[in-house]
Amino acid sequence: AQSVTQLGSHVSVSEGALVLLRCNYSSSVPPYLFWYVQYPNQGLQLLLKYTTGATLVKGINGFEAEFKKSETSFHLTKPSAHMSDAAEYFCAVSQDGGFKTIFGAGTRLFVKA
Amino acid sequence: DGGITQSPKYLFRKEGQNVTLSCEQNLNHDAMYWYRQDPGQGLRLIYYSQIVNDFQKGDIAEGYSVSREKKESFPLTVTSAQKNPTAFYLCASSLKVQLNQPQHFGDGTRLSIL
Repeated sequence: AQSVTQLGSHVSVSEGALVLLRCNYSSSVPPYLFWYVQYPNQGLQLLLKYTTGATLVKGINGFEAEFKKSETSFHLTKPSAHMSDAAEYFCAVSQDGGFKTIFGAGTRLFVKA
Repeated sequence: DGGITQSPKYLFRKEGQNVTLSCEQNLNHDAMYWYRQDPGQGLRLIYYSQIVNDFQKGDIAEGYSVSREKKESFPLTVTSAQKNPTAFYLCASSLKVQLNQPQHFGDGTRLSIL
């Protein structure tokens, strides 16, 4: 069965610092991977997705993620945090043979001035 | 602008009452989904629908019901059998129920018990 683990329910960074949000997945076959962002009292918005091809994926708002099959990871990074990045971030995985997208529990990002 | 509209934004349920949450999309998407979000638990799938007049149970369907009479609409009813309905409910859609298709989300309905 596929699953998603997001390490750290809360991450705090200073404005201008590197953002690193960790995501590990378990899947018996090559997965499709997504990162979504959720602002308070809103739905989720797609940041980026990995399906096939290049393992470094660039998304919106300066975020990127790297698919590392050997580490079963898909960590989200941004070189320089901005106050507007404060939100909750969800990693999600789906795979052939199933219909569902499985979401991680989420990581709330705090950005300090 | 294309998107997903959920209404109402806030909803209160009395004991023994059924309530219906609305979800409408104008993206011409075939697939629609309902999720429940509780703090610290991510999103859990309630029901999903691939085409009109067809829907399937997700992981936590007990106490909920849905219909899909039109492509644009996928309402969710929270029945009195759902004993812990307080949560944030999210509706989503995708072009197809295909695994590389991202989902588009509405802004949610927050349901509370009176």
